[in-house]
Amino acid sequence: DTAVSQTPKYLVTQMGNDKSIKCEQNLGHDTMYWYKQDSKKFLKIMFSYNNKELIINETVPNRFSPKSPDKAHLNLHINSLELGDSAVYFCASSPQLEGYGTDTQYFGPGTRLTVL
Amino acid sequence: ILNVEQSPQSLHVQEGDSTNFTCSFPSSNFYALHWYRWETAKSPEALFVMTLNGDEKKKGRISATLNTKEGYSYLYIKGSQPEDSATYLCAFGVSSGTYKYIFGTGTRLKVLA
Repeated sequence: DTAVSQTPKYLVTQMGNDKSIKCEQNLGHDTMYWYKQDSKKFLKIMFSYNNKELIINETVPNRFSPKSPDKAHLNLHINSLELGDSAVYFCASSPQLEGYGTDTQYFGPGTRLTVL
Repeated sequence: ILNVEQSPQSLHVQEGDSTNFTCSFPSSNFYALHWYRWETAKSPEALFVMTLNGDEKKKGRISATLNTKEGYSYLYIKGSQPEDSATYLCAFGVSSGTYKYIFGTGTRLKVLA
């Protein structure tokens, strides 16, 4: 049973298109995250949601819009894709935001996005 | 800007060797320090979370120490095995209004048989 799942695993698309990546966790966690792994292999936080509410919104272009229909899902929609959006995107979840950083994050398998 | 630095960036060791790497982080606003193990083509998996200065954690042949006053953590692997080959990430938990984790770039370990 996959704890944090993402679909699709690979996404190849043309510049200018709009695409979505879905994330689901079956751990009953309150908090979900989106990270981008950049070309230097850094994992950078993009967004964090706690119980469907946006908590963290880092400096991310507003072409990126997260949506959390319920506590178990956090989807990432990207409009007008650009070449620089090519990266691996990881979804993660953790039990509660108020864990003051002691909560372990559980990561999905990643989605490799390639923009041509 | 908060930075988390890990060194070395990559490391090759022979099977059976012991090794260690460093995670350096800002010593202010410290909440927790996490270590993750990240195998190629898989997701990062949690190894340890440490919160107190002087904390030491151990899991099998892998252990970690924490010094919050000087802002560093060491990860040790005793008697490295080929299956230990992975990238080891540390993440610094910080609160500046909202809580978030800042990841280092990782240390890529390759254990040669």
